[in-house]
Amino acid sequence: NAGVTQTPKFRVLKTGQSMTLLCAQDMNHEYMYWYRQDPGMGLRLIHYSVGEGTTAKGEVPDGYNVSRLKKQNFLLGLESAAPSQTSVYFCASRPGGQGNTEAFFGQGTRLTVV
Amino acid sequence: KQEVTQIPAALSVPEGENLVLNCSFTDSAIYNLQWFRQDPGKGLTSLLLIQSSQREQTSGRLNASLDKSSGRSTLYIAASQPGDSATYLCAVRPGNTGTASKLTFGTGTRLQVTL
Repeated sequence: NAGVTQTPKFRVLKTGQSMTLLCAQDMNHEYMYWYRQDPGMGLRLIHYSVGEGTTAKGEVPDGYNVSRLKKQNFLLGLESAAPSQTSVYFCASRPGGQGNTEAFFGQGTRLTVV
Repeated sequence: KQEVTQIPAALSVPEGENLVLNCSFTDSAIYNLQWFRQDPGKGLTSLLLIQSSQREQTSGRLNASLDKSSGRSTLYIAASQPGDSATYLCAVRPGNTGTASKLTFGTGTRLQVTL
């Protein structure tokens, strides 16, 4: 059972390059999230989606774009990477509705922008 | 704005010791609170979820308590083992609707259990 899968796991970019991070979940979850984790700052929400075709901004959305064309996939794009975007990125998913359900996380993508 | 604080930031204990990790939050209007474990270079693994109506949850050697009115949760680990070494994160889910259940995380407690 795969759960939440992120690709790639590691990436080094040069300043100004673009890339897309892919998150895939096989649990039929409605909600999906992208977080970044930086030392001393905890996890911060970048963007999220409450269903196929919907996206919304989180706490730190600048410099990122997202798309949710299929329910199982949530893509995070960096159009012009900056060193400040060096971080570990985590994707998470959760069933929809107001039930007391857990969030499940992927293994993370470690991105370095030089 | 909800803020979540975890104290201490780091903790080192000898094997076999019982220990308590603390999590505090500023807005008591939460739906639930979740404790996670993160191993170095890995993702987050859910340990326990406490609903706002509950006082505690138990799983094996782990016990999490919740005092919503005072904005506190504790994670109690009994008879610690070296394999418990990891970073422990708590996260709260807001109680108001329309928030898409966005979790707010603490910065974590890094635990090392020594032989």
